[in-house]
Amino acid sequence: EAGVTQFPSHSVIEKGQTVTLRCDPISGHDNLYWYRRVMGKEIKFLLHFVKESKQDESGMPNNRFLAERTGGTYSTLKVQPAELEDSGVYFCASSQVERGGYTFGSGTRLTVV
Amino acid sequence: GDSVTQMEGPVTLSEEAFLTINCTYTATGYPSLFWYVQYPGEGLQLLLKATKADDKGSNKGFEATYRKETTSFHLEKGSVQVSDSAVYFCALSDPGTGGFKTIFGAGTRLFVKA
Repeated sequence: EAGVTQFPSHSVIEKGQTVTLRCDPISGHDNLYWYRRVMGKEIKFLLHFVKESKQDESGMPNNRFLAERTGGTYSTLKVQPAELEDSGVYFCASSQVERGGYTFGSGTRLTVV
Repeated sequence: GDSVTQMEGPVTLSEEAFLTINCTYTATGYPSLFWYVQYPGEGLQLLLKATKADDKGSNKGFEATYRKETTSFHLEKGSVQVSDSAVYFCALSDPGTGGFKTIFGAGTRLFVKA
């Protein structure tokens, strides 16, 4: 089966610009998660979708971040406007069951300059 | 809140050496524990998991035992190879208190020299 796909793999944008990251989960996986790793620190939870509904968005840092999952398939994470501290690697993961461990995508490395 | 602490890296070993990466956790409920691995240029992969006390997870020669009495989940391998060079993340999921998100440690980078 195809894995979790993320694109772009790298993005370099200027402070104040907008960037949209996309994640295609494994087909049939209802659970989709966004995480990010900033400056080589811990991987931090951002939010969790079950199908198209936001189950938990407690990790979203502020209202500059907007995640959507229309139709319960792929998801987008938009950062608008981007700030320097948003630089990091954004990971998407999906799972069929909620407690069994995820399949991660390769991540999107975002650099805000 | 729940947290995971793992040994700082980098860890540098020679091929065929024994590997231990320490991981301890704090959780108020009954978490599942995981080790993920990130090889250079790739995403995270689930390496092994354990869902209850005294369970041993194992995969690719790696193993870790869920020790509730010491709140630990140390990763071990008897003989590492150059191909094991990667970043290893210890993690927990505690639906009773944290919903279904996973809490990760900071990662430990392993270098294996030929």
